[in-house]
Amino acid sequence: DSGVTQTPKHLITATGQRVTLRCSPRSGDLSVYWYQQSLDQGLQFLIHYYNGEERAKGNILERFSAQQFPDLHSELNLSSLELGDSALYFCASSATGNPPLHFGNGTRLTVT
Amino acid sequence: GQQLNQSPQSMFIQEGEDVSMNCTSSSIFNTWLWYKQDPGEGPVLLIALYKAGELTSNGRLTAQFGITRKDSFLNISASIPSDVGIYFCAGRSLSDSNYQLIWGAGTKLIIKP
Repeated sequence: DSGVTQTPKHLITATGQRVTLRCSPRSGDLSVYWYQQSLDQGLQFLIHYYNGEERAKGNILERFSAQQFPDLHSELNLSSLELGDSALYFCASSATGNPPLHFGNGTRLTVT
Repeated sequence: GQQLNQSPQSMFIQEGEDVSMNCTSSSIFNTWLWYKQDPGEGPVLLIALYKAGELTSNGRLTAQFGITRKDSFLNISASIPSDVGIYFCAGRSLSDSNYQLIWGAGTKLIIKP
């Protein structure tokens, strides 16, 4: 158990809809990273938050946004969903200055 | 997005065999990381490398940070059934002040029965 909790585990929705994915980092970790993993692909970095502040942005679409709350949990909002957004979305956390160490088990998003 | 060149894409091996996989990049990295992903789970960090030439072991796993800083390899000795899964390399470039890791596409390890 990595200590990182992601909800929901599965999400099926229609094109054009909006969804929110939630991540609770490992206790004590201030950094939260979001990744997208399409079928049989590596991970694409989306965004990194540290202690409530955005630290870095990767290949994140304008239709996607995220935030980290004072209790350190994070949410990834995906809007105007398209079929190509279907993927596994992972959250990872780490302590200061460390690489993403602890990954959640992901949210599998299916857009129909 | 940018990816590392990770090879091989998949490997079919017999239990007990040694395994070797590698990653190369056109950019210089200051960090190389190796993760393993089991089905239905998130990646787990196996080995982290921070210095060119560094050789680090974690049980039967050994990884090296290439001298050119553009490559890394992972070896698994005497493979066992629980080694099956997808192994990812990831790197952090010199210009990156955060951990915006660049990921390889993965090496799928399959053990022949």
